[in-house]
Amino acid sequence: SYVLTQPPSVSVAPGQTARITCGGNNIGSKSVHWYQQKPGQAPVLVVYDDSDRPSGIPERFSGSNSGNTATLTINRVEAGDEADYYCQVWDFSSHHPGVVFGGGTKLTVL
Amino acid sequence: EVQLVESGGGLVQPGGSLRLSCAASGFTFSDHYMDWVRQAPGKGLEWVGRARNKANSYTAEYAASVKGRFTISRDDSENSLSLQMNSLKTEDTAVYYCGREGYSRGWQLPFDYWGQGTLVTVSS
Repeated sequence: SYVLTQPPSVSVAPGQTARITCGGNNIGSKSVHWYQQKPGQAPVLVVYDDSDRPSGIPERFSGSNSGNTATLTINRVEAGDEADYYCQVWDFSSHHPGVVFGGGTKLTVL
Repeated sequence: EVQLVESGGGLVQPGGSLRLSCAASGFTFSDHYMDWVRQAPGKGLEWVGRARNKANSYTAEYAASVKGRFTISRDDSENSLSLQMNSLKTEDTAVYYCGREGYSRGWQLPFDYWGQGTLVTVSS
């Protein structure tokens, strides 16, 4: 089955740039979606189709996807960005097709 | 305003059954594929399965971990999505979210709206 690999944690100071990676075999050929989840809350879509933002998501959130790595970039990080972030793709290449999530990355704002 | 509200969670013994519901409002429910995603305590997100819309014959797909035990159905007249869970195992303990498949440039749709989740605990 298809596997997405994320770093367990990323730490960044307020005002700096956070980059969260999502690795997968030829992930550049897939559409990658990113979700933010704060403690006790449901996930929220922050980037879809690699680099598009839903309405209401700040321009500070952006994404890219090429080769074997997709990246979520958060510019001018704020304390309120502290959360778990998950990447997600659809995989129909395996025996059990469906949605695949990365393991999640905890973003800590120092 | 799009709203998804899950219900039906609770404590159930291993081997037991439980039925979850998701009430949808604020959008044309019949247009969208709908999914269930779960999250075990302190763990990441895991896809459970999806229900396609009428145009795609209401067919369902399931993750390997639940196939044959869980059944997803929908009632477009009631704007509701259901998850029938049978032969429950302790490892099915999780918060269960329903999610709407939204819009995309292609066919690999994101989950653009989520419910608040309902907790299922499988324990003796």
